Amino acid sequence: QVQLQESGPGLVQPSQTLSLTCTVSGGSIKNSGYYWSWIRQHPTKGLEWIGYVYFIGRSYYNPSLTSRATISLDTSQQRFSLELTSVTAADTALYYCARSPYYYDNTAYDSWGQGALVTVSS
Amino acid sequence: QSALTQPPSASGSPGQSVTISCTGTYTDVGAYRYVSWYQQHPGKAPKLIIYEVDKRPSGVPDRFSGSKSGNTASLTVSGLQPEDEADYFCCSHAGSNKLLFGGGTKLTVL
Repeated sequence: QVQLQESGPGLVQPSQTLSLTCTVSGGSIKNSGYYWSWIRQHPTKGLEWIGYVYFIGRSYYNPSLTSRATISLDTSQQRFSLELTSVTAADTALYYCARSPYYYDNTAYDSWGQGALVTVSS
Repeated sequence: QSALTQPPSASGSPGQSVTISCTGTYTDVGAYRYVSWYQQHPGKAPKLIIYEVDKRPSGVPDRFSGSKSGNTASLTVSGLQPEDEADYFCCSHAGSNKLLFGGGTKLTVL
């Protein structure tokens, strides 16, 4: 059973860069059958897809975040990361990492981390 | 791209059935069979309950069912139980490696 765990600072100053890491255990992140994603949830609101990375390292992003987001893969460390630049209070959210299949429904997130709360404030 | 549209709330009594809608456009929900549904209890990560419009992952009760008509997908919870009280989110493939989530529906079991 694959497990995902987010880690990173819980507080980021405005205009700085938010950096989070998701460590994957119980399965290889090099498995070609999956996309590795970041999804966020603003307080008392819905989910927002940030983007995903495929095992060869290619990434795709939500058009509203593509200019600020970078998702990268570190297969040697079994982890993938999110960087979000020029953050504002609107980026305050619970950030999840999750896995979905490549060969069929890529919206079918079958494994999630527990979430990492990031607050943007000075 | 805007989020998929869900009603903010829904409710039903134990044993009843409730249907939650998820409305998109011809470029997302209407275009693909890649629509999923998630259940989220307070303080927990979302849990996949429906994928590919109407398929259930192993372990999900058959009280949960999904369907789609045109640009609207639906989740039906039959035989409501107290533990079904949660937030429910839909998600759709939106072409060109893009995904959209719905705003979420809070289901109350009366």
